[in-house]
Amino acid sequence: AQSVTQLDSQVPVFEEAPVELRCNYSSSVSVYLFWYVQYPNQGLQLLLKYLSGSTLVESINGFEAEFNKSQTSFHLRKPSVHISDTAEYFCAVSDRNSGGSNYKLTFGKGTLLTVNP
Amino acid sequence: DTGVSQDPRHKITKRGQNVTFRCDPISEHNRLYWYRQTLGQGPEFLTYFQNEAQLEKSRLLSDRFSAERPKGSFSTLEIQRTEQGDSAMYLCASSLTTGLNEQYFGPGTRLTVT
Repeated sequence: AQSVTQLDSQVPVFEEAPVELRCNYSSSVSVYLFWYVQYPNQGLQLLLKYLSGSTLVESINGFEAEFNKSQTSFHLRKPSVHISDTAEYFCAVSDRNSGGSNYKLTFGKGTLLTVNP
Repeated sequence: DTGVSQDPRHKITKRGQNVTFRCDPISEHNRLYWYRQTLGQGPEFLTYFQNEAQLEKSRLLSDRFSAERPKGSFSTLEIQRTEQGDSAMYLCASSLTTGLNEQYFGPGTRLTVT
């Protein structure tokens, strides 16, 4: 069984400040890791993913996340946020083993990022 | 727009009524998933299809819930004898079989049971 813990339910920050949204996971097997973003009244959108290779992954809008296997973490960071980054962010995992439950995403409870002017 | 679509976007129903939701996946995607998201929680997996075959159902999916994907294209999720605890956002996602299972989500159907 897998589980995802997002340590902060809400993170308020000021515009242009740095932000880190924390995600820890628990799994008995190797996993793929994802961050999804949900803007108000919209569906979930994939922000970035870790599949293999470099442990640092980046999105096109300035977010990055680093996979830390020893700490079972996949924290999301951005050095300078914009008001338009206000949204709910979900960390998710899936089983990377083919033939396993690799179709199923297990999500954390989400972190609401609010960027204030 | 060739993304995942869901209909209706909102549904208000009285307890005990039956409701049906529809999901149209991205056309070339042969995997389709249903998730449920309640307030303050992340989405929780309900069920999954590969083409028309339903391959897994979560224990969250009680006997009052049934999902179909009759021709391997769109899918329906029916809830019979709705209860207030069924109030939630129902999300549909689709993906390819090959590759690394990147799931694309629809906007969801928000169900309110009064």
